[in-house]
Amino acid sequence: GDSVTQMEGPVTLSEEAFLTINCTYTATGYPSLFWYVQYPGEGLQLLLKATKADDKGSNKGFEATYRKETTSFHLEKGSVQVSDSAVYFCALTHSGGSNYKLTFGKGTLLTVNP
Amino acid sequence: GAGVSQSPSNKVTEKGKDVELRCDPISGHTALYWYRQSLGQGLEFLIYFQGNSAPDKSGLPSDRFSAERTGGSVSTLTIQRTQQEDSAVYLCANSPGQGKYNEQFFGPGTRLTVL
Repeated sequence: GDSVTQMEGPVTLSEEAFLTINCTYTATGYPSLFWYVQYPGEGLQLLLKATKADDKGSNKGFEATYRKETTSFHLEKGSVQVSDSAVYFCALTHSGGSNYKLTFGKGTLLTVNP
Repeated sequence: GAGVSQSPSNKVTEKGKDVELRCDPISGHTALYWYRQSLGQGLEFLIYFQGNSAPDKSGLPSDRFSAERTGGSVSTLTIQRTQQEDSAVYLCANSPGQGKYNEQFFGPGTRLTVL
């Protein structure tokens, strides 16, 4: 079945540091890939997505590129801020059938210190 | 409202009791999902509704779990004879329709604690 593996946290960075959170996936066909973010005390919200190979999703300074050859969708940001402190989830949507449920990684807690 | 709402936000119950969790989706969003977020298992799919089609129940962990969606709108997740391992945050999500490109909009969740 489908699965998503993302780097274990927690990750602690200083403000303005470079961020990478690794994500790899196993899936048949051509899934869509997502990064969701959960800020403290808030619900899950979509951060960015990519729907086909070599697509780059971007939002709020975050980027991730859909790499089919390495089955990866690593999240990057050049300069993190304290407000980026949150839990980040990599996810995919199965490309077959009618149920486009999300399969999530375990989540990575990011803490950014001033 | 503009987003997905869920009630109650918190529910504490005793082992063996039944609970009902409610999801009020975004108007016009035909696809509705329930997920469970727990420390040990992360985020897991439970059940999926799309329009008037039969729901996909493949993620329900046991027959104590059931869900319905009335009139293509409000959904209720019911857990019978709750167990301590049912303690988790239950999330409802909506999307505009079928398709792997569609963003799912999540509600704030119901935190269930089974004593």
